[in-house]
This record gives sequence, structure tokens and C-alpha cells, in this order.
Amino acid sequence: NAGVTQTPKFQVLKTGQSMTLQCAQDMNHNSMYWYRQDPGMGLRLIYYSASEGTTDKGEVPNGYNVSRLNKREFSLRLESAAPSQTSVYFCASSRSGGEGQPQHFGDGTRLSIL
Amino acid sequence: AQKVTQAQTEISVVEKEDVTLDCVYETRDTTYYLFWYKQPPSGELVFLIRRNSFDEQNEISGRYSWNFQKSTSSFNFTITASQVVDSAVYFCALSEVTAYSGAGSYQLTFGKGTKLSVIP
Repeated sequence: NAGVTQTPKFQVLKTGQSMTLQCAQDMNHNSMYWYRQDPGMGLRLIYYSASEGTTDKGEVPNGYNVSRLNKREFSLRLESAAPSQTSVYFCASSRSGGEGQPQHFGDGTRLSIL
Repeated sequence: AQKVTQAQTEISVVEKEDVTLDCVYETRDTTYYLFWYKQPPSGELVFLIRRNSFDEQNEISGRYSWNFQKSTSSFNFTITASQVVDSAVYFCALSEVTAYSGAGSYQLTFGKGTKLSVIP
């Protein structure tokens, strides 16, 4: 019953360091998403992948890159971390093809950039 | 303008009280979907319910009920006889057909959440 698995759960970086957040789902979902959650801001979409081989920008893509490695895995990379990227990052997945399919979330990665 | 407004930032109730969490949305689509998610103190996001725009029936699941009113663009969530385990941040979210990427993905727009504290 793993669902959506994110690694690591916690990370502290220094400004300018790079980092890749990993996400894997075992529900055979086609679509995957990366969000960030900041206090008082709700969740904001960074990037999404509608299906294997495609990625698109969301609301707040600047400073991030993504890779849809295969159907199961969708990674988020910070090339040069900045303090403004301190946040909790959530990966989610949903079954595509059906309308309004709910997204299922991982447990989040708490990232602090000093 | 916010597409999903949860005007109540924080609510505190005493255990066993009923509580209603408000959600007002904005969309020009005739087909759309509304969701509620729960985020307990442990941090994970738990899907609670999905409602499509053509189904205005209210739904009840145990102590939870949802009232969808298109006329007022609202999708409110009521917890009856609240319990301490209901303490969490609750998010309302909207998925619009016009946010469909054309490649099989509907984007969600979240409200900023309502933090519910149930006091024993």
C-alpha cells in the first residue's frame, strides 16, 4: 500500500547547492505533479507530467526542473537552491483519461535552504 | 482574484460541536470538479471527496457532509459531533476543464486552507 513515495523526507541545503527530490508511485497512474506548500499559501503547482514523456510548467516553475523518468517516477531538481525555495514539497499522481480524477499525494519533503 | 476562497483561516471548536468549513469558488466553466482534502498534523494530504458540477446532491459520509450549491458557487463541508482527530488543515480545490492540458491532465487549484482545532 505504498501509493506515492517521496524521498527524502527532510533536507537542509546551503544556498547555491543542487538537489533532486524523488517521487515514485505504484498505482499505475499516468499523471504526476509537483507542488510546494508555504504557510498561508495553500499548495501551488510547480510542474506536472500529464503522461510519460511529457512535462509542463505549473504556476511557479522558476528555479526548478523536472524529469519524468518512466511511468512510475517523477523527479524535481533544484539546480541552485535559494532561501525562497524553503518549503514543503509534495508529489502527487492521478489516473488520466478520466475526468476530475482525484490526486493522491505523498507525505511531503520538508526542504530548508540556509 | 482567487479561484478558490476559504475565508476562514482558523476555527476552534469544542469536541462534539458541529462545524462548517466554507469554500467559495470561481469559474467560467460549466463542467468542473470540486475536492476536499485533509492535512492532519502529521502532514500528509488525504483525499476526502470529489464532486462534479452536474451533481448537486449533498453527500453524507459518517460524520462528514458536503453541501454543493451552484447558485452561490459554494461547496461547504460540515463535520458533525467533532472529535479531536478531526483537528487538521482542510483544503478545498477546483479542477476546471479549461485547465485541461490536452494530454490527459487536469490541474487543481487549491484554496489556502482552513485550520480546524477541536478542543477536548
